[in-house]
Amino acid sequence: NAGVTQTPKFQVLKTGQSMTLQCAQDMNHNSMYWYRQDPGMGLRLIYYSASEGTTDKGEVPNGYNVSRLNKREFSLRLESAAPSQTSVYFCASSEVVRQANQPQHFGDGTRLSIL
Amino acid sequence: AQKVTQAQTEISVVEKEDVTLDCVYETRDTTYYLFWYKQPPSGELVFLIRRNSFDEQNEISGRYSWNFQKSTSSFNFTITASQVVDSAVYFCALSEALAGAGKSTFGDGTTLTVKP
Repeated sequence: NAGVTQTPKFQVLKTGQSMTLQCAQDMNHNSMYWYRQDPGMGLRLIYYSASEGTTDKGEVPNGYNVSRLNKREFSLRLESAAPSQTSVYFCASSEVVRQANQPQHFGDGTRLSIL
Repeated sequence: AQKVTQAQTEISVVEKEDVTLDCVYETRDTTYYLFWYKQPPSGELVFLIRRNSFDEQNEISGRYSWNFQKSTSSFNFTITASQVVDSAVYFCALSEALAGAGKSTFGDGTTLTVKP
């Protein structure tokens, strides 16, 4: 049972470089999310997607872009990485069943360091 | 706007002690969902429990129990007879029905250390 798969698990970038974090889920969920986790600050929502073809900004979207390629995949792109974007990034998915919000399922995270 | 407060940043207990993690939330929505997640030192996030705003029944699952009180906007989590394996960061989260897409707001987490 793969659940939510994130790649890569670790990445080091130089300031100004770009990269895309990949996420795929195999649970047929409509909703997908990208969070960043910084020490002592819990999880902050960057972007989310309620369904294929739609994306919306979360709490901290600046410096990021996303693509909901299909129902399974939701990618996060850093166009010009900055040291402030050093963090652990989590992708998650969930479903709203009969108008009831279900728990989110998380990937294992990507540790991103920007020098 | 929805908000979740976990006032306890860190808690340290000795094995076999009982420990309660506090969670207070704010919402204007009448339909909402509360969750607890666990993040062990290995880093993954694991779902523990979900409650909806219409069900205030407390729940016990093994050594874990949850106390949901709408009157005080609290959803506290108790571990009875704690074990070293309970050491983790615990997150409380709130998801409003009106927010759409099943979005959740997370508290900042409580780091629990259980010493042998």
